[in-house]
Amino acid sequence: ETGVTQTPRHLVMGMTNKKSLKCEQHLGHNAMYWYKQSAKKPLELMFVYNFKEQTENNSVPSRFSPECPNSSHLFLHLHTLQPEDSALYLCASSQEGAGGGEQFFGPGTRLTVL
Amino acid sequence: GESVGLHLPTLSVQEGDNSIINCAYSNSASDYFIWYKQESGKGPQFIIDIRSNMDKRQGQRVTVLLNKTVKHLSLQIAATQPGDSAVYFCAERVGNTPLVFGKGTRLSVIA
Repeated sequence: ETGVTQTPRHLVMGMTNKKSLKCEQHLGHNAMYWYKQSAKKPLELMFVYNFKEQTENNSVPSRFSPECPNSSHLFLHLHTLQPEDSALYLCASSQEGAGGGEQFFGPGTRLTVL
Repeated sequence: GESVGLHLPTLSVQEGDNSIINCAYSNSASDYFIWYKQESGKGPQFIIDIRSNMDKRQGQRVTVLLNKTVKHLSLQIAATQPGDSAVYFCAERVGNTPLVFGKGTRLSVIA
């Protein structure tokens, strides 16, 4: 148990659906991250929030929309996804702000887009 | 291109033997390195980190070695156990920029 929880753990959605991924950290950290993990690829950083402000957007398509209402919660809103968006989506948090310090990861949401 | 990579995608080790997982990096400005372990169905879990002002750091059964001359990082696991079977990632960072991850090496422990 890393102190970072993600829901749902598994999600299957059609290309016309709208869904949201949720992440919550119980560590009192200042920064939160969304990563995409595909087979045979390195972890891809998507978004970084530092003190609720977005500090990184790694050229992510607009069909992915993050939301960070406070330092403990992070959402990833999904709409009109493509099959190639199927992947494991990992949330992480760290103490020292964007890019800094050890990052603690959640268990991920396994997303399948049909 | 990718600045962090792993020499071997898979590694099989006999239980009880020592494991060495290697990682090459290309950014000589990187000043922080970290190893993660990812078991099936779980997110990456921190193992050990090292800053560029050090060349060796030890944890419980793990040692990280940093060779800045050849831009090489390694993770050594002593007395490898079945529970060590996982994918291991190295990552690097320059200053306060986000971590850059390698592809990962799958370690399989043979009982």
